[in-house]
Amino acid sequence: DTGVSQDPRHKITKRGQNVTFRCDPISEHNRLYWYRQTLGQGPEFLTYFQNEAQLEKSRLLSDRFSAERPKGSFSTLEIQRTEQGDSAMYLCASNYRGQDEQFFGPGTRLTVL
Amino acid sequence: AQSVTQLDSHVSVSEGTPVLLRCNYSSSYSPSLFWYVQHPNKGLQLLLKYTSAATLVKGINGFEAEFKKSETSFHLTKPSAHMSDAAEYFCVVSEGVLTGTASKLTFGTGTRLQVTL
Repeated sequence: DTGVSQDPRHKITKRGQNVTFRCDPISEHNRLYWYRQTLGQGPEFLTYFQNEAQLEKSRLLSDRFSAERPKGSFSTLEIQRTEQGDSAMYLCASNYRGQDEQFFGPGTRLTVL
Repeated sequence: AQSVTQLDSHVSVSEGTPVLLRCNYSSSYSPSLFWYVQHPNKGLQLLLKYTSAATLVKGINGFEAEFKKSETSFHLTKPSAHMSDAAEYFCVVSEGVLTGTASKLTFGTGTRLQVTL
């Protein structure tokens, strides 16, 4: 089953360090989304790509966050100078352009000490 | 702008009894509506979706939901709860397909379903 995969599944870091997460979407999907889920809340949209183009970014995505999808396949999400408030589950999803439901990966749980 | 309100943060039922998880939405357009389930340490899984076809939508594992435009509701039901149904359930709205923009999903805050013996 080649669903959406994310790596790593868990990351513990110290405040001020940089972290990078990877998402591999379902292979034929051209849209890829990043969401953040904090404890007790539903996921919140961060950004999305259509192929390699980043087409929308949420106001939640501060300038410490950057996302790329260099060849329109996998994507990376980097957080620079992490803060304790960045502790959350980071979820990746993918779908086709024009498809409404999204298919989610298992997420990367970030803990900032 | 689209939004979702899940009316109960926690619901507890006995195994074999009906389940009702309530959801109200707000949307400027005729939205697409979804229910996703999240089991501990697992990814979000789509239970069912409504996209302007039949108002009563059947999903996986015996769940169904009814779209009521007059009440702006999309409640999730199941006739008989099973222990394996214990999880977090999210009501979700999207306007993207109809507006031509990305199908950005807006989630509710979730309802934790507890199933007791």
